[in-house]
Amino acid sequence: GEDVEQSLFLSVREGDSSVINCTYTDSSSTYLYWYKQEPGAGLQLLTYIFSNMDMKQDQRLTVLLNKKDKHLSLRIADTQTGDSAIYFCAESSGNRDDKIIFGKGTRLHILP
Amino acid sequence: EPEVTQTPSHQVTQMGQEVILRCVPISNHLYFYWYRQILGQKVEFLVSFYNNEISEKSEIFDDQFSVERPDGSNFTLKIRSTKLEDSAMYFCASSGRTVAKNIQYFGAGTRLSVL
Repeated sequence: GEDVEQSLFLSVREGDSSVINCTYTDSSSTYLYWYKQEPGAGLQLLTYIFSNMDMKQDQRLTVLLNKKDKHLSLRIADTQTGDSAIYFCAESSGNRDDKIIFGKGTRLHILP
Repeated sequence: EPEVTQTPSHQVTQMGQEVILRCVPISNHLYFYWYRQILGQKVEFLVSFYNNEISEKSEIFDDQFSVERPDGSNFTLKIRSTKLEDSAMYFCASSGRTVAKNIQYFGAGTRLSVL
């Protein structure tokens, strides 16, 4: 079945770039998403990319999609303490009535 | 900015009791969803709802679960007889389904604790 995999932890120094990677299995994925979850909070949609795009940039966030390898990444430039959170990679497909399949989440820890 | 609102933020119940989790989706949205996240595990799809009926449901969404849109604004998830393993964070989401878009916006969640 459909699956989304991502590493569980990432530690980055404040001011450096963070790169969170994700792989997915469903070749019919239409949308790929990054959601952010801060402690005790809900799922905040950070950004998304349509499957016919390779890259999307939004201020400090850059999303790269390699559809051939089914690999998605999120780069956060100039990482700040407020970026400390769990980042969920997710995908949906029009074939599945658009339910979203989530990865387990990557916990981003910011070092001073 | 419009948002999805969920109440209560935390619900504690005894095993075997019925619970109703409430959600107010974004006002002009047409598609509604429930997901759950057991502590330390993935966020899992439960059910999608459109035009007053269930569009799709997962294996988790058995006969103990039901959803309803009782009026023009609320969307509820009912668990008839809660089990210990129903303890989780429950997220409601909604989407507007404009052309070539399925962007789901999530609420802050209801933490359900079954004792």
